[in-house]
Amino acid sequence: SQQGEEDPQALSIQEGENATMNCSYKTSINNLQWYRQNSGRGLVHLILIRSNEREKHSGRLRVTLDTSKKSSSLLITASRAADTASYFCATRIQGAQKLVFGQGTRLTINP
Amino acid sequence: EAGVAQSPRYKIIEKRQSVAFWCNPISGHATLYWYQQILGQGPKLLIQFQNNGVVDDSQLPKDRFSAERLKGVDSTLKIQPAKLEDSAVYLCASSSGTGGNQPQHFGDGTRLSIL
Repeated sequence: SQQGEEDPQALSIQEGENATMNCSYKTSINNLQWYRQNSGRGLVHLILIRSNEREKHSGRLRVTLDTSKKSSSLLITASRAADTASYFCATRIQGAQKLVFGQGTRLTINP
Repeated sequence: EAGVAQSPRYKIIEKRQSVAFWCNPISGHATLYWYQQILGQGPKLLIQFQNNGVVDDSQLPKDRFSAERLKGVDSTLKIQPAKLEDSAVYLCASSSGTGGNQPQHFGDGTRLSIL
């Protein structure tokens, strides 16, 4: 089973609205990262949040981490058509030297 | 800085044939990763190198997949013989630090189709 699972699997909203994606994981982590993948392209790193952090911002992106609930959320404010992509969370499990990716959320922004 | 370069972008082969992918990481990045991404899924780590040593290859099907990183820079991933289930995008990534502690930078991948 996946270490990280995103919810929802797919999300479609109107341009200008906010988009929220969630990630749940099973075991203790060192950090959690969010990546974006446009169709036919590689993944692009968005934000890294460490296990002792609760919230981070980067431009229109806001990531929260709740280690007691083993969950994280990614909020994209004032969405744009260019935000249409798949979004993946990835966790670095404690004691491991690698990232484990979830299945992703496919986000569609309608103009 | 130049990004992670991968070639070819697309490859179509028949089952039981062999295929090789090439990756050139970002200059100075010590850690290199090969991922397999099946359509609709997240990337799955196949192998991770730290310089030219293997850190993790626990999910690499070693009976058919092999990878090397000569001189700690470029890397090749080979499949021999290919099976239908190997149809996927093969992504290479690199990072400046050890696995999981730093952002990973990805190439655009090689899309492999097995007939």
